[in-house]
Amino acid sequence: DTAVSQTPKYLVTQMGNDKSIKCEQNLGHDTMYWYKQDSKKFLKIMFSYNNKELIINETVPNRFSPKSPDKAHLNLHINSLELGDSAVYFCASSQEPDAYGYGYTFGSGTRLTVV
Amino acid sequence: AQRVTQPEKLLSVFKGAPVELKCNYSYSGSPELFWYVQYSRQRLQLLLRHISRESIKGFTADLNKGETSFHLKKPFAQEEDSAMYYCAPPGGYQKVTFGIGTKLQVIP
Repeated sequence: DTAVSQTPKYLVTQMGNDKSIKCEQNLGHDTMYWYKQDSKKFLKIMFSYNNKELIINETVPNRFSPKSPDKAHLNLHINSLELGDSAVYFCASSQEPDAYGYGYTFGSGTRLTVV
Repeated sequence: AQRVTQPEKLLSVFKGAPVELKCNYSYSGSPELFWYVQYSRQRLQLLLRHISRESIKGFTADLNKGETSFHLKKPFAQEEDSAMYYCAPPGGYQKVTFGIGTKLQVIP
């Protein structure tokens, strides 16, 4: 019973392609996130959704578009992929407010390689 | 906004030596802080939360309001402790950027 599941785990694609990464959580959390982890392990937030509503939209290229069909799903679509998009993308969820201090639950990550 | 900083990118210790991973915060009010761990090529996992005052895998972290710190400590490092460690405030509406974290390298 994976709490936060991402697919695919690995994605190798050519520059210019369009790709999607899917994320689902079965924890009943209200808030979901996409994080990007670069080769230096720097973990930066990209988007946050609360009950299907966009809450945080950091400065990322508009080639990245999140979609939340319901509060249990947050997908990430990337258009016109570039070499610099190569990274590990993590989905996460949390409860808002986090009254019991459970913090984030992360997915296993999607390693995207653009060639 | 709640902010945390981890001043060390890399911490190398010998097996059996004490470990202290530093985390400082800079916001007012009652802070809520967490430590996350990421083993090689794995997902980030919640390691400790200050609210529970627990010890996980021998690690402890105490909130020091005077020094605005939440350092992660372990008296005797083990090789399997080698990982990336991230200190972070809670999620939700806040713009939480975990930052670069600290890589702990335990030398056999």
